[in-house]
Amino acid sequence: AQKVTQAQTEISVVEKEDVTLDCVYETRDTTYYLFWYKQPPSGELVFLIRRNSFDEQNEISGRYSWNFQKSTSSFNFTITASQVVDSAVYFCALSGPRDDKIIFGKGTRLHILP
Amino acid sequence: GAVVSQHPSWVICKSGTSVKIECRSLDFQATTMFWYRQFPKQSLMLMATSNEGSKATYEQGVEKDKFLINHASLTLSTLTVTSAHPEDSSFYICSALIQGNEQFFGPGTRLTVL
Repeated sequence: AQKVTQAQTEISVVEKEDVTLDCVYETRDTTYYLFWYKQPPSGELVFLIRRNSFDEQNEISGRYSWNFQKSTSSFNFTITASQVVDSAVYFCALSGPRDDKIIFGKGTRLHILP
Repeated sequence: GAVVSQHPSWVICKSGTSVKIECRSLDFQATTMFWYRQFPKQSLMLMATSNEGSKATYEQGVEKDKFLINHASLTLSTLTVTSAHPEDSSFYICSALIQGNEQFFGPGTRLTVL
């Protein structure tokens, strides 16, 4: 069975601090996809990244970076120099080889304090 | 990227009435669409998989007679909540699967049943 665990329910940091959101997943598939989504108060999901299981390279996009480690089944997300606009709920998610059903973690609510 | 729309964006209805929510892929065809439900401060839970021209596949615990799904065309799937009750109040989000196995999410519909 597939499972995504985001152990951090809520995090608060002061603006400009770096923050890492943890994500641990479980799957029996050898091919799978991992995702991160941002959900601001408006509710609309904002796609951040999709990574397939064969690509373990870390990725950086502006202030965002992702660390994928198959050995520990983790796909952590770091925001550098956080800003108030980064305040949102962040979901880590997993899908199988056909990338159809997406299983979401419970989300981490991030508060960036001015 | 591909755009998925939902209509209405919010709806308030009386208990016992039925509510229809539309999910449209605006610039691509989607043979498969998904419906998710999100209760306040909780994660997204997959309700059903909607396939064009065939019956929807419901996840365990989702009442198919209560949540009617129709995927009549390659750009439209509808979710009808029949005889809605206050416990059905939730945020309903659809997604559409594009060729190449990428999934795009709609902006969501907030349903409040009085």
